[in-house]
Amino acid sequence: EAQVTQNPRYLITVTGKKLTVTCSQNMNHEYMSWYRQDPGLGLRQIYYSMNVEVTDKGDVPEGYKVSRKEKRNFPLILESPSPNQTSLYFCATSVGAGELFFGEGSRLTVL
Amino acid sequence: GENVEQHPSTLSVQEGDSAVIKCTYSDSASNYFPWYKQELGKGPQLIIDIRSNVGEKKDQRIAVTLNKTAKHFSLHITETQPEDSAVYFCAASGGTSYGKLTFGQGTILTVHP
Repeated sequence: EAQVTQNPRYLITVTGKKLTVTCSQNMNHEYMSWYRQDPGLGLRQIYYSMNVEVTDKGDVPEGYKVSRKEKRNFPLILESPSPNQTSLYFCATSVGAGELFFGEGSRLTVL
Repeated sequence: GENVEQHPSTLSVQEGDSAVIKCTYSDSASNYFPWYKQELGKGPQLIIDIRSNVGEKKDQRIAVTLNKTAKHFSLHITETQPEDSAVYFCAASGGTSYGKLTFGQGTILTVHP
């Protein structure tokens, strides 16, 4: 079954404590991307990757890091989380830049 | 960069009525315009998309229209059903920053039985 798997699905953490949200896909897609969803703001792109070792900034990259060492994995790293990073995060993949397949989402709360 | 505006933010209709959601975009080089539906607690799913060489596309009760000159595109849902209730997002990509997909703010559609 084609899947985009995110972990953790829910996380409550404190300001400054480094965390990583993992994303793994089994569809052999080259393109992967991270979005955050906030009420009234829709989905905003954080980072995207066109292929292994190729990453680029989206619209809201500040405070986030990513890496793409393997085709199937695209972790999102928050080195020093702050309360304004409290949000619902989605990982998505696609073949090229066509239909996106989204994960189930990771709800992050930073206290 | 690209900017996508979506209206209305909420839409309430009676079952059987039509629903229309409108989006405008800023980058005239954008050439791919998908629409996603997000049900409660889930990730968005593609429901229909259109490319800039096409003016209209239909899939059963759903249609999308594109006006490149005016830089706007719309989603039309006919004969709405309660299961159409969800959040709908438009998006645009393929412009000057290939790989970047910019979403609208979303529309909460409620279909009353």
